[in-house]
Amino acid sequence: DADVTQTPRNRITKTGKRIMLECSQTKGHDRMYWYRQDPGLGLRLIYYSFDVKDINKGEISDGYSVSRQAQAKFSLSLESAIPNQTALYFCATSDFGGTSALSTDTQYFGPGTRLTVL
Amino acid sequence: QKEVEQDPGPLSVPEGAIVSLNCTYSNSAFQYFMWYRQYSRKGPELLMYTYSSGNKEDGRFTAQVDKSSKYISLFIRDSQPSDSATYLCAMSANAGGTSYGKLTFGQGTILTVHP
Repeated sequence: DADVTQTPRNRITKTGKRIMLECSQTKGHDRMYWYRQDPGLGLRLIYYSFDVKDINKGEISDGYSVSRQAQAKFSLSLESAIPNQTALYFCATSDFGGTSALSTDTQYFGPGTRLTVL
Repeated sequence: QKEVEQDPGPLSVPEGAIVSLNCTYSNSAFQYFMWYRQYSRKGPELLMYTYSSGNKEDGRFTAQVDKSSKYISLFIRDSQPSDSATYLCAMSANAGGTSYGKLTFGQGTILTVHP
């Protein structure tokens, strides 16, 4: 089974609708992230969470909200979807490996949700 | 100007070729440099990472960092059709710890290796 799962994998919705994307992980990591990927723009961070009580905005949080229901679950909501939110959305997790200069916050990504807003 | 620039390609090479993928960046605080590989309809997965300047080799893959030029490269030797994917560079100013090791990604380069 995949360590990081996302549901749904594909979604088509209409402008103005509320939509929730869900992410679950079995890696036991404390840190979780939501990104969106657009052609020519790479991955951009929407929100991140270091633990259940810690939620932080990323670089493009406007129009989005999140909920960290448990260590293993992190949901992304679009309160009123608009066409320019059409994108590929990825959830990721990480578990900081230590204080060594050779450690890094390696992130593990889910398979993505392709969202189309008409 | 983006903090990280990566030529999106697409890049098409014959099997067995040496592939060079590159990123430039403007933030001199970046110390951690990563390459992620993303297959079609999949999430990115970490391929290699390096700290500060220098080279790192892993099988057919070599990552190079030149901090003086703010330039990083990924070389793939003896490329295979299975290497066909999007390659994203990513960089961070710190390793995480008590703060978030924010990753800044390049746009990604689409690579196709044809038999």
